[in-house]
Amino acid sequence: SQQGEEDPQALSIQEGENATMNCSYKTSINNLQWYRQNSGRGLVHLILIRSNEREKHSGRLRVTLDTSKKSSSLLITASRAADTASYFCAIDQGGKLIFGQGTELSVKP
Amino acid sequence: EAQVTQNPRYLITVTGKKLTVTCSQNMNHEYMSWYRQDPGLGLRQIYYSMNVEVTDKGDVPEGYKVSRKEKRNFPLILESPSPNQTSLYFCASSERGNEQYFGPGTRLTVT
Repeated sequence: SQQGEEDPQALSIQEGENATMNCSYKTSINNLQWYRQNSGRGLVHLILIRSNEREKHSGRLRVTLDTSKKSSSLLITASRAADTASYFCAIDQGGKLIFGQGTELSVKP
Repeated sequence: EAQVTQNPRYLITVTGKKLTVTCSQNMNHEYMSWYRQDPGLGLRQIYYSMNVEVTDKGDVPEGYKVSRKEKRNFPLILESPSPNQTSLYFCASSERGNEQYFGPGTRLTVT
């Protein structure tokens, strides 16, 4: 399967802790994107990292990309209860976007 | 306001009755795409379009049709819906190679 694979499938942490989610893939990519989804709602874009980039930051979010290992990670620092959501990676193969199955993050107050 | 709109948001229909889900974007994006989301399977791409009159199959195109006659609209057509097409459908648009903007979703039930 060319689908991105996410790990872990579910993650439960306390407010203030950091959350790390991983995404692995099998083919070459143009870029890798991370999205967030609150239950049953549309996806919201978080960060896009291109194949020639290694790390990107946006507020409390940090994304890394290792093309040699075909993997990416999303780190959310100092998590808040409002960060509770599902997080998806998506691999852009030049038009075709392949999503992972997502990590369900629960942040307990 | 920049947005992607889908209609209807909720639809219950019967097997075999043709239906269309509309998708419209006001950002002049070249790229548009349809996905379905099912529990345990994540989002799967149905069709995508790089520009007007250009469409390509995604991972799960069977049972669906699309058209891209104008830049802003990308309707999803189910000619003969079946119960296995019961799902949550999302439309998205983007500048090519950039992040996607998603619509609010259409929850379809086929009985």
